[in-house]
Amino acid sequence: EDQVTQSPEALRLQEGESSSLNCSYTVSGLRGLFWYRQDPGKGPEFLFTLYSAGEEKEKERLKATLTKKESFLHITAPKPEDSATYLCAVQPLSGAGSYQLTFGKGTKLSVIP
Amino acid sequence: KAGVTQTPRYLIKTRGQQVTLSCSPISGHRSVSWYQQTPGQGLQFLFEYFSETQRNKGNFPGRFSGRQFSNSRSEMNVSTLELGDSALYLCASSFGGKKNIQYFGAGTRLSVL
Repeated sequence: EDQVTQSPEALRLQEGESSSLNCSYTVSGLRGLFWYRQDPGKGPEFLFTLYSAGEEKEKERLKATLTKKESFLHITAPKPEDSATYLCAVQPLSGAGSYQLTFGKGTKLSVIP
Repeated sequence: KAGVTQTPRYLIKTRGQQVTLSCSPISGHRSVSWYQQTPGQGLQFLFEYFSETQRNKGNFPGRFSGRQFSNSRSEMNVSTLELGDSALYLCASSFGGKKNIQYFGAGTRLSVL
């Protein structure tokens, strides 16, 4: 069974204080790992997808990296508008579940001015 | 380009009733997936449809069902509602290939009293 564990559950940062969110996963063959951002009362918003170990992607203050067992979302010099819940999800390579995403429970990030 | 549209945004029902939720995917997308989001369990996969066929189903009771129409719009039905069905129901659409990104709607907030 595919499993995704995110840590920490919650993170409070001062504006400008860089940090990283962790996503550990267990999957029988990884097709893709996805990062989403979710604001209160809204659906998840797609950020990145990573397909192979060693791959990195960047968008503004966010950078996602992938190894064979985990992914990190690095946040550089965060601003209050980066406050949200960040969700990690995996898609298996094959099998009956190859069209579904298995999500972690998310990291709630609060950036204090 | 319009995003994924879910209706209604909010619903209040009582135990034992049934409910139907609707999802209109992004134009050109042929796959629609449904997820249930609760504070305790996070996002859990319900089912996925592609070209009017259910390709994958999560571990939910038979009270949860869905269908997809020829225009790719999808509906989800929950019969004999229970208090534990209170949740945010999210719909996501994609082109349907195995490397396709899922884009989410804003969700339908269902409250069962």
